[in-house]
Amino acid sequence: AQSVAQPEDQVNVAEGNPLTVKCTYSVSGNPYLFWYVQYPNRGLQFLLKYITGDNLVKGSYGFEAEFNKSQTSFHLKKPSALVSDSALYFCAVRFPNAGNMLTFGGGTRLMVKP
Amino acid sequence: DGGITQSPKYLFRKEGQNVTLSCEQNLNHDAMYWYRQDPGQGLRLIYYSQIVNDFQKGDIAEGYSVSREKKESFPLTVTSAQKNPTAFYLCASSITRARGTEAFFGQGTRLTVV
Repeated sequence: AQSVAQPEDQVNVAEGNPLTVKCTYSVSGNPYLFWYVQYPNRGLQFLLKYITGDNLVKGSYGFEAEFNKSQTSFHLKKPSALVSDSALYFCAVRFPNAGNMLTFGGGTRLMVKP
Repeated sequence: DGGITQSPKYLFRKEGQNVTLSCEQNLNHDAMYWYRQDPGQGLRLIYYSQIVNDFQKGDIAEGYSVSREKKESFPLTVTSAQKNPTAFYLCASSITRARGTEAFFGQGTRLTVV
């Protein structure tokens, strides 16, 4: 079955340290992968996407993500975390042969402490 | 400003009452979506529409209905058949349903049963 997972409910990191928010998927074929961020009581904001090409994708607010086909992962990263990065992060996937619906992981809460 | 507007921001429903959540977009997007967000459960797809006068059920359509009479509007009705409607509802749109296109989200409507 095709699925997307975010194995960590919460990630804690100190301001200035690098951060990683994990995403893994299971699919037969090539997925299209997305990251979104959600601040409290707000909608989701698009950060970045992987369609094809370079495995390292750069997005908004200094975030980047690395596509790893062999590990079926698409982890979100940032070299130096800010307190303002604290939010809920969602990985999303468009699977082939599934009507191209956008399927979301369960979300990871990122807490950046000063 | 271009974007997706959801209204109202907060909505209270009595037991057995139908309520309609509004979603309007001026992005000229073909595809529109409704998601439900519960704490700790990520986003689940309720309905989606690729084109005017066409819509399809998502993963949790029971107790909900939609219409797509205009390209820019995709209202969601939460009927009395939905037994647990208290949730945060998010509307989204994308330029097409093509796999490489990201979705843009409204700010959400928080529905509470009283």
